[in-house]
Amino acid sequence: GESVGLHLPTLSVQEGDNSIINCAYSNSASDYFIWYKQESGKGPQFIIDIRSNMDKRQGQRVTVLLNKTVKHLSLQIAATQPGDSAVYFCAEIVYTGRRALTFGSGTRLQVQP
Amino acid sequence: GAVVSQHPSWVICKSGTSVKIECRSLDFQATTMFWYRQFPKQSLMLMATSNEGSKATYEQGVEKDKFLINHASLTLSTLTVTSAHPEDSSFYICSAEGRDSNYGYTFGSGTRLTVV
Repeated sequence: GESVGLHLPTLSVQEGDNSIINCAYSNSASDYFIWYKQESGKGPQFIIDIRSNMDKRQGQRVTVLLNKTVKHLSLQIAATQPGDSAVYFCAEIVYTGRRALTFGSGTRLQVQP
Repeated sequence: GAVVSQHPSWVICKSGTSVKIECRSLDFQATTMFWYRQFPKQSLMLMATSNEGSKATYEQGVEKDKFLINHASLTLSTLTVTSAHPEDSSFYICSAEGRDSNYGYTFGSGTRLTVV
């Protein structure tokens, strides 16, 4: 969905804890999803992706879960580190539609040392 | 991996002047490039889609005469903000899609535009 408002939701976690960032996507026809990490003043950095025919995908320290029934996506970060502090966005795309990504509103992750 | 370079990383200009931002795919040919704008504490909003050799497709509400996009080669797209005003101050980011259809998920580092 599109971002509204001027305040990003913030998730604060202690270093070493697991983090879960959630995203509600807007288009039931979306068939590919990506999580991005954005540090201040930088472009989005690809973290992990998942196709709609999957409900879970794991990477290094990260796991993405997809629930198409409720149009929900989550990003789990294991053993969160201070370097994980950033804003995280989910993005969706429809293969047969326009090929640009539609971004969610974002969540700021703050990792306390 | 695919690398997208964006230049300049920041620019300050006076109201009424024009500013050009470049987006280059360094190690692949980009058939399509996307331009986004991001205001502080907000998400990325698509401005336009640029295909090599053809006119850009602009999103609703984005003025094509104000935000000129040129995609003259497979490795370069430019965004020119014409007659810039303070409300155009924003973070502009491009992404590029290669021939292998990676769905444009490689982003440039962004350009911070400040209009004074």
